[in-house]
Amino acid sequence: DTGVSQNPRHKITKRGQNVTFRCDPISEHNRLYWYRQTLGQGPEFLTYFQNEAQLEKSRLLSDRFSAERPKGSFSTLEIQRTEQGDSAMYLCASSGQGSGNEKLFFGSGTQLSVL
Amino acid sequence: DAKTTQPNSMESNEEEPVHLPCNHSTISGTDYIHWYRQLPSQGPEYVIHGLTSNVNNRMASLAIAEDRKSSTLILHRATLRDAAVYYCILRKPNSGNTPLVFGKGTRLSVIA
Repeated sequence: DTGVSQNPRHKITKRGQNVTFRCDPISEHNRLYWYRQTLGQGPEFLTYFQNEAQLEKSRLLSDRFSAERPKGSFSTLEIQRTEQGDSAMYLCASSGQGSGNEKLFFGSGTQLSVL
Repeated sequence: DAKTTQPNSMESNEEEPVHLPCNHSTISGTDYIHWYRQLPSQGPEYVIHGLTSNVNNRMASLAIAEDRKSSTLILHRATLRDAAVYYCILRKPNSGNTPLVFGKGTRLSVIA
């Protein structure tokens, strides 16, 4: 168990550029979540996959955001035409199939700075 | 998920016990109480969860009030590595298809 891996750890981009983040969940986990966290706030839910199906999207996920999980393994989160308000920590978490009390395991996040 | 209320911050001396409170007066009978913590520059990590009875694990203890309207996370001997933001979250059973909803949590500072 190598844990949830996120790449890159840090990303600095100019406003208007596109960025893509990658998340590799724990291998046997079929659920994968993306969260966003700004300074001083708790993580905010963005979207959720069960295997390759994207089952839920938050209202926070504007049309500029898209997430994929091909083949139900790793996931990518793309932000198009970045804005300064997109600057945040983007966290990925995974969990196994369970009763609903299964633990979520989080990665260390990707810190995005939009200049 | 029902709402929880936690103090914004708390301070503890190293090697002293820490009691982190959480109020959840609108908890329903089937809601589980989960605690996660987030160390600096890390993602959140699971600490403990419970329903009605007090729970212990290697990280902490969870004391749940008899009416379940409040709970307390207990760190028996705080260390500098316990300095983190602690989140109290309510979760319904069979809620695997719904995400965890985080509040602002309690920022715990540990003084050497």
